[in-house]
Amino acid sequence: QVQLLESGPEVVKPSETLSLTCSVSGDSVSNDKYYWSWIRQPPGKGLEWIGYIFDSGTTKYKSSFTGRVTISVDMSKNQFSLRLTSVTAADTAVYFCARDRAYEFFFDSWGQGRLVTVSS
Amino acid sequence: DIQMTQSPSSLAASVGDRVTITCRASQSIMTYVNWYRQQPPKAPELLISRTSNLETGVPPRFSGSGSGTDFTLTISSLQSEDFATYYCQQSYSTPRTFGQGTKVEVK
Repeated sequence: QVQLLESGPEVVKPSETLSLTCSVSGDSVSNDKYYWSWIRQPPGKGLEWIGYIFDSGTTKYKSSFTGRVTISVDMSKNQFSLRLTSVTAADTAVYFCARDRAYEFFFDSWGQGRLVTVSS
Repeated sequence: DIQMTQSPSSLAASVGDRVTITCRASQSIMTYVNWYRQQPPKAPELLISRTSNLETGVPPRFSGSGSGTDFTLTISSLQSEDFATYYCQQSYSTPRTFGQGTKVEVK
């Protein structure tokens, strides 16, 4: 049974960088049957896919985040990470990491989520 | 990006009711739609993939249908744990996009 758990700061100042890590157990981030995604949900709103990483380093991002986002993987720790630069209040959200079934593109396992608030 | 529009945005129902939620895509996505249930304050959970494939462990009261641009999720007999928000998601193209959600509330 795969489990994902997000960790990182709960508060980030405007213009600074949001950094979150997803720790995976019960599966390997090098498993080529899956992509590893980040998804966010602003308070009271819907879900927005941010991007994924797979094949030990290949990434794809939603275009509205290009230039601000980086997803990376640490196979030695079985973790993958999200960095989002130049944050504003609009980036306040619950951030989920999720396992994304390769070539089928749906999310079959999710972390519990991490609320990140952008505030000075 | 493909837009997914759900209707209704919310509905009120009672335990035992049959509930139907609709999702419309802005272009044909064949059968590449998936459905999730989000019980607050939890993460979404996958219920149905590729229009009608029930995930392991999901009760058979959930079913999905449709193709092209119009899809439905049906709950045949609503249970207490089904009072939640439901999202459709297209997996036809990147970026993956979600509907805005349908909140099922207690009547």
